[in-house]
Amino acid sequence: GQNIDQPTEMTATEGAIVQINCTYQTSGFNGLFWYQQHAGEAPTFLSYNVLDGLEEKGRFSSFLSRSKGYSYLLLKELQMKDSASYLCAVKDSNYQLIWGAGTKLIIKP
Amino acid sequence: IAGITQAPTSQILAAGRRMTLRCTQDMRHNAMYWYRQDLGLGLRLIHYSNTAGTTGKGEVPDGYSVSRANTDDFPLTLASAVPSQTSVYFCASSPGLADTGELFFGEGSRLTVL
Repeated sequence: GQNIDQPTEMTATEGAIVQINCTYQTSGFNGLFWYQQHAGEAPTFLSYNVLDGLEEKGRFSSFLSRSKGYSYLLLKELQMKDSASYLCAVKDSNYQLIWGAGTKLIIKP
Repeated sequence: IAGITQAPTSQILAAGRRMTLRCTQDMRHNAMYWYRQDLGLGLRLIHYSNTAGTTGKGEVPDGYSVSRANTDDFPLTLASAVPSQTSVYFCASSPGLADTGELFFGEGSRLTVL
């Protein structure tokens, strides 16, 4: 079966750096997405990786290793507003998105 | 800029009743999707549509039906609601099913079936 694994919850301190990991086993691969979802709101797009390596976008970076079935989202200079759930999703060979259950990130002052 | 509009935002429904969740987008996207989100689980695809006039089943289609009469609208119908359909429902769209772009989500419809 297809599976996306990510930690259920993480805690970090304001101003620090946090890395959220995602491992996947899917039927084919057509890209990996990270979304941010604040409580009670809709998911919003953060990043997309289809080739191995690091994609940097401001304070957020996303890394992909297709051979290892692994990605991480790196958040730098954490702010209180970064408290949210972070969803990892992979597009399979049928171009359907397979979603992880999300990682709830708690930022403490 | 509207993007995707869902209605209602919240609804309490008696079991056995029929319910239609509405979804409208103004981005002229070809592909549209309905997901449900339950605590501890990832977003699960209910139905999708590649383009107007076509629909397909997702991971959890039972008890739900959709139609795509035009590009903009993609309603989701629960013919006879059951308590296990209590969930938050998100409608989403993208330019095309096979594209590599992001999904755009509506604000969600919180449905409680008693």
